[in-house]
Amino acid sequence: KAGVTQTPRYLIKTRGQQVTLSCSPISGHRSVSWYQQTPGQGLQFLFEYFSETQRNKGNFPGRFSGRQFSNSRSEMNVSTLELGDSALYLCASIPAPARSYTDTQYFGPGTRLTVL
Amino acid sequence: SQQGEEDPQALSIQEGENATMNCSYKTSINNLQWYRQNSGRGLVHLILIRSNEREKHSGRLRVTLDTSKKSSSLLITASRAADTASYFCATAPPGGNTPLVFGKGTRLSVIA
Repeated sequence: KAGVTQTPRYLIKTRGQQVTLSCSPISGHRSVSWYQQTPGQGLQFLFEYFSETQRNKGNFPGRFSGRQFSNSRSEMNVSTLELGDSALYLCASIPAPARSYTDTQYFGPGTRLTVL
Repeated sequence: SQQGEEDPQALSIQEGENATMNCSYKTSINNLQWYRQNSGRGLVHLILIRSNEREKHSGRLRVTLDTSKKSSSLLITASRAADTASYFCATAPPGGNTPLVFGKGTRLSVIA
């Protein structure tokens, strides 16, 4: 089985721009979670989607949004980028959405976003 | 907010030695998971231990869980240079409807 894929792998943007990141979960997995990882804050949960519905959202401003498509692929969007948005953005897919967070999460390689 | 707190923040050992990392958490859990991350890449799941388990083994990994002390430890025996990575604990709250909460990790360096 192919693993979780994330595109693009690296991205450089300037303040004020917007960005869209993509995540394709493992085939058959229907739940996708997004995390932001920074040296100062560590791994922080952004949101989780299951069957095209947002099930949980972390404590991030409304500039961060996401969606999930019928094929389980997910995108996250950050509008009006700020310097502090520079981070590694990770997505994870989960095989058993009914017991979502009690199961192993399978992470993609991440998208490294740099905001100048 | 972080629930898991790993200790130490960084650890440097010689190849062949054992490495022990600790994780403390604050609230009750369904399970606790350990992940490894190599050089800012994705996380790889290592082991999951449920709240009713006390010890679990997987190859050279041994995880213990003490729910009375709200702590867990990860032991890597006979370490190799390839074990150099950051190690994170993540707690899953009861109920399964709340996301995993990750600690900030322990950076392990294994020197050949």
